[in-house]
Amino acid sequence: KNEVEQSPQNLTAQEGEFITINCSYSVGISALHWLQQHPGGGIVSLFMLSSGKKKHGRLIATINIQEKHSSLHITASHPRDSAVYICAVYANTGNQFYFGTGTSLTVIP
Amino acid sequence: EAGVAQSPRYKIIEKRQSVAFWCNPISGHATLYWYQQILGQGPKLLIQFQNNGVVDDSQLPKDRFSAERLKGVDSTLKIQPAKLEDSAVYLCASSLAGDTEAFFGQGTRLTVV
Repeated sequence: KNEVEQSPQNLTAQEGEFITINCSYSVGISALHWLQQHPGGGIVSLFMLSSGKKKHGRLIATINIQEKHSSLHITASHPRDSAVYICAVYANTGNQFYFGTGTSLTVIP
Repeated sequence: EAGVAQSPRYKIIEKRQSVAFWCNPISGHATLYWYQQILGQGPKLLIQFQNNGVVDDSQLPKDRFSAERLKGVDSTLKIQPAKLEDSAVYLCASSLAGDTEAFFGQGTRLTVV
């Protein structure tokens, strides 16, 4: 059983669509990260959340600590948003990160 | 601000050879992580350092993998001898502390043939 589950695994959208990627986790956490990984590229940290909601440009991340759930939203999606989006949580026991397997997003022009 | 630096970016070796990866974290970051990411999977933690001490190396295959962080700054990860299944991207990340934002390097893509 994975400590972090993401859905969907794969997502194809038309340019301009509103996109939601979901993350559920089963451990107690002190922080949740949303990461972006382009093909052949490294990982970029998009957000770190411990409560509430954060917005950066067209990206919005929310977290519900009670429900152990987070969502990443992309408004007005663009082909350059095509990447793998990974949810990672920092567990407050054991002091380590747990990663989801990622959501592969393809935005078609 | 300089990011996490890793080298080399790519490496191709034959099985049973040795290989070493280098990571220079962001200045002042006490926590350093090495991850292995096999194609199609999420990253798997290999080892976590806090300064120059090891916090977690439970998933490090210690018969062939070793890592060190001398002086609590740069770190090297070594594989000796390499196996075909070690082909993966090796990611280094650092953070000020364990629960603060983590910054990732570009990774080293290892291909073992």
